[in-house]
Amino acid sequence: GAVVSQHPSRVICKSGTSVKIECRSLDFQATTMFWYRQFPKKSLMLMATSNEGSKATYEQGVEKDKFLINHASLTLSTLTVTSAHPEDSSFYICSARVMGRQNTEAFFGQGTRLTVV
Amino acid sequence: GQQLNQSPQSMFIQEGEDVSMNCTSSSIFNTWLWYKQEPGEGPVLLIALYKAGELTSNGRLTAQFGITRKDSFLNISASIPSDVGIYFCAGASGGSNYKLTFGKGTLLTVNP
Repeated sequence: GAVVSQHPSRVICKSGTSVKIECRSLDFQATTMFWYRQFPKKSLMLMATSNEGSKATYEQGVEKDKFLINHASLTLSTLTVTSAHPEDSSFYICSARVMGRQNTEAFFGQGTRLTVV
Repeated sequence: GQQLNQSPQSMFIQEGEDVSMNCTSSSIFNTWLWYKQEPGEGPVLLIALYKAGELTSNGRLTAQFGITRKDSFLNISASIPSDVGIYFCAGASGGSNYKLTFGKGTLLTVNP
């Protein structure tokens, strides 16, 4: 399957600072990437859909000014958690769709554990 | 919005036993996907289903896309300790955004 790389895998930051998480498709081009948040022992919650060259589409209840998404190229999307607070601590996961395939799967990165202290 | 009911929520089995889990939906999906997630990792795709009635195998795993397009099951035969993890079903309606709706997961524990 296609490989999606997410970086960093773990990050600890101080309250009030911003953190950037990168999601890269290593061996394919992805016009669309997705950002999820996952709480312990819970399912994945879609935060936003990132489209290359255009603004991200955010799910209801997700603050776009808090979670900045940039999809600058066909292989890279970034999620920046701005002015992080302890309640932003969570597991963030990205996924990417393979461009140009009609029947296609979404491949996931390995996730980023964010801890805000 | 679309709802996915996944069951069972958790399973405790002995090594060698077969396992079955399923998902049902309140609406139709065009694609069903099954993922496995291990602690601290992202989900890994196990099986993808694209046609109603489709039955697909991947080693000891077998999954089916229900005829009504509102359900899917995953079977694991002859379980082994490394099958431990959380299994998620996910459905997609298609279209340009291809958003996935996830089930709540089935936590599988295999006792050696």
